[in-house]
Amino acid sequence: EDQVTQSPEALRLQEGESSSLNCSYTVSGLRGLFWYRQDPGKGPEFLFTLYSAGEEKEKERLKATLTKKESFLHITAPKPEDSATYLCAVQIASGGSYIPTFGRGTSLIVHP
Amino acid sequence: DAMVIQNPRYQVTQFGKPVTLSCSQTLNHNVMYWYQQKSSQAPKLLFHYYDKDFNNEADTPDNFQSRRPNTSFCFLDIRSPGLGDAAMYLCATSRYTGGAVEQYFGPGTRLTVT
Repeated sequence: EDQVTQSPEALRLQEGESSSLNCSYTVSGLRGLFWYRQDPGKGPEFLFTLYSAGEEKEKERLKATLTKKESFLHITAPKPEDSATYLCAVQIASGGSYIPTFGRGTSLIVHP
Repeated sequence: DAMVIQNPRYQVTQFGKPVTLSCSQTLNHNVMYWYQQKSSQAPKLLFHYYDKDFNNEADTPDNFQSRRPNTSFCFLDIRSPGLGDAAMYLCATSRYTGGAVEQYFGPGTRLTVT
């Protein structure tokens, strides 16, 4: 069964303390892996799409990378406004599927 | 700005009293999705439309129905809400052309059942 697992479930950082979030997946034929940010009480906001192993994308303090089994979301020198839940989702290349499978997310809190 | 709009943002209903949540989009996307999300859980897909074609997830309760009268609008009807249906309901859209497609989410409707 296809699965997406995110770790850790929760992460507390001090402002400026860099770290990484992990998204591991077991799917047959990856079409794309997505990262979203979700603030409390709001809908997820799209961050990145990664298509193939070795690909990297950056946006401000965030950098997403992809291997054949997992993706990392690296947060460099985080600020309190980076506090949110980060969701990972994968889309498989099967039968024209456009339905992603979501992980449970990592709740990030950055203390000033 | 093109966006996904959900109304209302907060909905309180009584046990067993039907409720309708609405979603509209200005993105002209061909796929619309309804998700249920409970605290600290992944969004759970309830159903989706590919254009006018309705697709129901196997484990979506019969209590949940949906309508998509046109490209821009989609509705979620909960016929007889139970306490377990209290959750955040998220509408999302995507433009599927055969490849990987990111989703654009609305702000959500927080449903409380009393």
